[in-house]
Amino acid sequence: DVKVTQSSRYLVKRTGEKVFLECVQDMDHENMFWYRQDPGLGLRLIYFSYDVKMKEKGDIPEGYSVSREKKERFSLILESASTNQTSMYLCASSLGDSQLYEQYFGPGTRLTVT
Amino acid sequence: AQSVAQPEDQVNVAEGNPLTVKCTYSVSGNPYLFWYVQYPNRGLQFLLKYITGDNLVKGSYGFEAEFNKSQTSFHLKKPSALVSDSALYFCAVNNFNKFYFGSGTKLNVKP
Repeated sequence: DVKVTQSSRYLVKRTGEKVFLECVQDMDHENMFWYRQDPGLGLRLIYFSYDVKMKEKGDIPEGYSVSREKKERFSLILESASTNQTSMYLCASSLGDSQLYEQYFGPGTRLTVT
Repeated sequence: AQSVAQPEDQVNVAEGNPLTVKCTYSVSGNPYLFWYVQYPNRGLQFLLKYITGDNLVKGSYGFEAEFNKSQTSFHLKKPSALVSDSALYFCAVNNFNKFYFGSGTKLNVKP
């Protein structure tokens, strides 16, 4: 059974803190993605990666960075957390470089920045 | 620009009745279309996809979706709704390996 895991389900951080969100997939997928989900806005892509050490900006990369040192792990970093980064963060992975393949999602991390 | 629209924030239906959740899209090139479902406090789960071929696609949990190229739509349907179908549904399009999601439609199935 395919699995994408995220390091925390709930996280509370203070403004200005550096925050790490970790995502691990056990499916040997090439592609990994970070989204944030906000009510009424759906999912918005923050960053994605097609290979180890490779990253590309999504639609809303400002205030975020990512790291992919190993194929199975994709980390999202909030360099200096702000209250407008309070959100649900979803990690996903997919197979190959084809548009045909669906994404598999982790359970999400609900981040609150106070 | 690529986009996906789900015109209804919420759909209410009685158990046993048919349901439809609407989705329209705008992409350059061939559309690769997907439906996902999100149950409370869970990640998204894949339901079905349209790549090519038959316009009626069947997926998980008895759901199906109809691709209509002329209307650029990909509506999700189920002949008989269950209370357990109550969830948040997202339509998405994959264009050059980037997924674009709609804003989501909350489906409420009343007993």
